[in-house]
Amino acid sequence: GAVVSQHPSRVICKSGTSVKIECRSLDFQATTMFWYRQFPKKSLMLMATSNEGSKATYEQGVEKDKFLINHASLTLSTLTVTSAHPEDSSFYICSARDTQGGDTQYFGPGTRLTVL
Amino acid sequence: QKEVEQNSGPLSVPEGAIASLNCTYSDRGSQSFFWYRQYSGKSPELIMFIYSNGDKEDGRFTAQLNKASQYVSLLIRDSQPSDSATYLCAVNMYGRGSTLGRLYFGRGTQLTVWP
Repeated sequence: GAVVSQHPSRVICKSGTSVKIECRSLDFQATTMFWYRQFPKKSLMLMATSNEGSKATYEQGVEKDKFLINHASLTLSTLTVTSAHPEDSSFYICSARDTQGGDTQYFGPGTRLTVL
Repeated sequence: QKEVEQNSGPLSVPEGAIASLNCTYSDRGSQSFFWYRQYSGKSPELIMFIYSNGDKEDGRFTAQLNKASQYVSLLIRDSQPSDSATYLCAVNMYGRGSTLGRLYFGRGTQLTVWP
């Protein structure tokens, strides 16, 4: 149980294009999902908290117009990196909080984004 | 003051030894505490969670919580080379008004278990 999937696992794109990453909770409902990014050998950095049916809450310093988050259902949240640039290259990881399971967050496998 | 601090690594232990990982947190209102393991290039995976003071055991892993000292630890008994990873401590800080289940992560401790 408590499986979270992410798609795609790896994406390479040209500078200026937009990339959408999907995060799905497969066997539980997730009112709240979280988006993180992680640079090599660095710690997790929370980008935003995604709530089903409402606007995401972004952390300080994260551009909401660049990182668009949509949480349209209890099992799906998407992160769109708009007009991607090489500095956006990173490992993006989502997590989902089981509505019935307290504060435990289950992580997806991550998406490695490379912007050329 | 950092909100969640972990003992600086890297930590290196021989196979079969006990690895001890420590974590302190700043918010006395914290209620939920988690240990995640992250292999290089992979996402974190949940090892254990603990809510009450004392010890909680799961196989070779034991989590220890002391809310008065704002301290949580993870012991790994009979360490194996496959335990080599970065271990992340995470805390939900209710005292900071975090009502959305946000977890605050430490920077992680890198553990190496050598054969």
